[in-house]
Amino acid sequence: SQTIHQWPATLVQPVGSPLSLECTVEGTSNPNLYWYRQAAGRGLQLLFYSVGIGQISSEVPQNLSASRPQDRQFILSSKKLLLSDSGFYLCAWSPRTGVIYNSPLHFGNGTRLTVT
Amino acid sequence: AQKITQTQPGMFVQEKEAVTLDCTYDTSDPSYGLFWYKQPSSGEMIFLIYQGSYDQQNATEGRYSLNFQKARKSANLVISASQLGDSAMYFCAMREGQGAQKLVFGQGTRLTINP
Repeated sequence: SQTIHQWPATLVQPVGSPLSLECTVEGTSNPNLYWYRQAAGRGLQLLFYSVGIGQISSEVPQNLSASRPQDRQFILSSKKLLLSDSGFYLCAWSPRTGVIYNSPLHFGNGTRLTVT
Repeated sequence: AQKITQTQPGMFVQEKEAVTLDCTYDTSDPSYGLFWYKQPSSGEMIFLIYQGSYDQQNATEGRYSLNFQKARKSANLVISASQLGDSAMYFCAMREGQGAQKLVFGQGTRLTINP
C-alpha cells in the first residue's frame, strides 16, 4: 500500500532563517505531488504541484520554492522566512495514471510551522 | 470567483442525529470530481467520499453519503447517526477537467457533535 511521510511535525524558526520541509511517498511510482498551506481556521491553499522530476508549477507568488529531486521526494524551501510564512503545511500525492479528476489526493500528517 | 463555496462556518448537532454539510461549486467543464475530506484537531486530512460528474447515482460510504444535484451545482455531505468522533472540520473540494492536476478546496465547515 502507499504511504506518505512528511517531516518534521512541528517547527519553530526565527524570521530570516532558512526552511526545508521534506515529503516522501512509498509504494507508488510517478505520482503527482503537492504542497498546500493552511492558515489557522482556514481552507487549504495550493502552493506548488509537480507532475515529474524537476517539473514544478507554482500557484502563488511567495517567499517559498519547491523542488523534486527524485520521483517520490518533494521539498519545500525558503531562503529567508517571514512571519507570514507561519501555518500548517501539508504534502499530498495522487496517481498520475487513469482518470485524473476521479482521484483523491492523499495527504501527509502535516508540519506546523511557527515563525517567530 | 470562488470555485467551491461552503456557506456554513460552524454546525452544532446532537449525537445520533443526521447532519447535512453544504457545498456548491462552479465549473464550466463537463468532467470533474467532487471530494469531501475530514480534518480532526490533529490536522490530518482524511478522504471521505467522492462523486464524479458523470455518476448517475449519489455516492455512499458507510455513514457518509453525497446529495449530488448537478443542475444546482451542489454536492452536500450527509452524515447519518452522528457520533462524537465526527466532530472536526469538513472540506469540500473539486478537480475539474481531463488534465485536472489541482484540487481546489472550500473554506470548510466546523462540525461539533454534542452528547
